[in-house]
Amino acid sequence: GAGVSQTPSNKVTEKGKYVELRCDPISGHTALYWYRQSLGQGPEFLIYFQGTGAADDSGLPNDRFFAVRPEGSVSTLKIQRTERGDSAVYLCASSLGGGMGFFDEQYFGPGTRLTVT
Amino acid sequence: LAKTTQPISMDSYEGQEVNITCSHNNIATNDYITWYQQFPSQGPRFIIQGYKTKVTNEVASLFIPADRKSSTLSLPRVSLSDTAVYYCLVGGNSGAGSYQLTFGKGTKLSVIP
Repeated sequence: GAGVSQTPSNKVTEKGKYVELRCDPISGHTALYWYRQSLGQGPEFLIYFQGTGAADDSGLPNDRFFAVRPEGSVSTLKIQRTERGDSAVYLCASSLGGGMGFFDEQYFGPGTRLTVT
Repeated sequence: LAKTTQPISMDSYEGQEVNITCSHNNIATNDYITWYQQFPSQGPRFIIQGYKTKVTNEVASLFIPADRKSSTLSLPRVSLSDTAVYYCLVGGNSGAGSYQLTFGKGTKLSVIP
């Protein structure tokens, strides 16, 4: 079956621009997570959705970052006024969404590599 | 959140058993221990999860002593394709609304022919 997909795979943008990153989770997965990963580091949590609502957005670094999941399936991570420090790989994961929360087995997508010039 | 400590890197020859130990001294009562594997240019992949004693699946075993302050991921007879970064994560539903997964830097395992 299809796994988690993310588009685009690569995105280059200029400092100050707005970007949207898309995640298509596995069908039937109610939980969705966004992470970002810098070179040589482990993934850093950003936000967790259970259904349409953000169950935990404490990882979003500032108010330039926002994510939505309006129909409980596809999610979009939006970054306003991008900065060079936002350059990283943005990973999306989904899980069945049972009682284990984050500790459900998470299935990760391949990521979107964002480069801010 | 429980802090984890694991070796930055390990080398092993093909065919050997590899054990990666993770320390988590301040693990909470309701925390689980989960390991993920990550290949370059891919997202992490779930390997195994446990709460106490021993868990085994088709790819690995997880040993957790009674005090749960550490855990050991055991990979039997590694091959070159096991070269990857391995992350140990500890946490669970704290009941306080935040139960994030915290990845550290992981252990970079290099399997040598």
